[in-house]
Amino acid sequence: KAGVTQTPRYLIKTRGQQVTLSCSPISGHRSVSWYQQTPGQGLQFLFEYFSETQRNKGNFPGRFSGRQFSNSRSEMNVSTLELGDSALYLCASSLAVMDEQYFGPGTRLTVT
Amino acid sequence: GESVGLHLPTLSVQEGDNSIINCAYSNSASDYFIWYKQESGKGPQFIIDIRSNMDKRQGQRVTVLLNKTVKHLSLQIAATQPGDSAVYFCAEEGLDYKLSFGAGTTVTVRA
Repeated sequence: KAGVTQTPRYLIKTRGQQVTLSCSPISGHRSVSWYQQTPGQGLQFLFEYFSETQRNKGNFPGRFSGRQFSNSRSEMNVSTLELGDSALYLCASSLAVMDEQYFGPGTRLTVT
Repeated sequence: GESVGLHLPTLSVQEGDNSIINCAYSNSASDYFIWYKQESGKGPQFIIDIRSNMDKRQGQRVTVLLNKTVKHLSLQIAATQPGDSAVYFCAEEGLDYKLSFGAGTTVTVRA
């Protein structure tokens, strides 16, 4: 069974731009969560989706948004990028909310 | 605020020895705790979990201990191998079902 895939793996953007990251969960998994990982703040929860509905949200500004499609694939969007948004963005999928999460390799976003 | 943290940022251990990684948490209402391992260039990988109604759980070469009295969590790795070199995170799930991660401990295994 294929694992969680994230595209692109690496991305360089300029301040003020917007970016969309994609996550394909493990087949059959209906819950997708997003995390931001930085050396200073560590791993921080962004949001969780289940059956196309956002079930939980972390403490991030409204510039960070996401959605989930009917096939459980998920995207997250960051608008008006700031230097501090440079991070590894991780996606994790699980069968359902509160089940064991399986992480993808992440998308490394660099904002210049 | 409430947070999950690790006592030591780095741990160096001789191959074959046992490793102990510690984590302190502050949210006494947390019900579920997880240890993850993250290797370079990869996402975190689930190692073992424990619920608050238990104080010990064993897996293959790993044991998690939970001391609710002092809000302390530890991960023990038996017979540490080179492949165990990674960053280890503890995480707690609060009543809001959000996962909060500690800062991580980098484990280096010496040959």
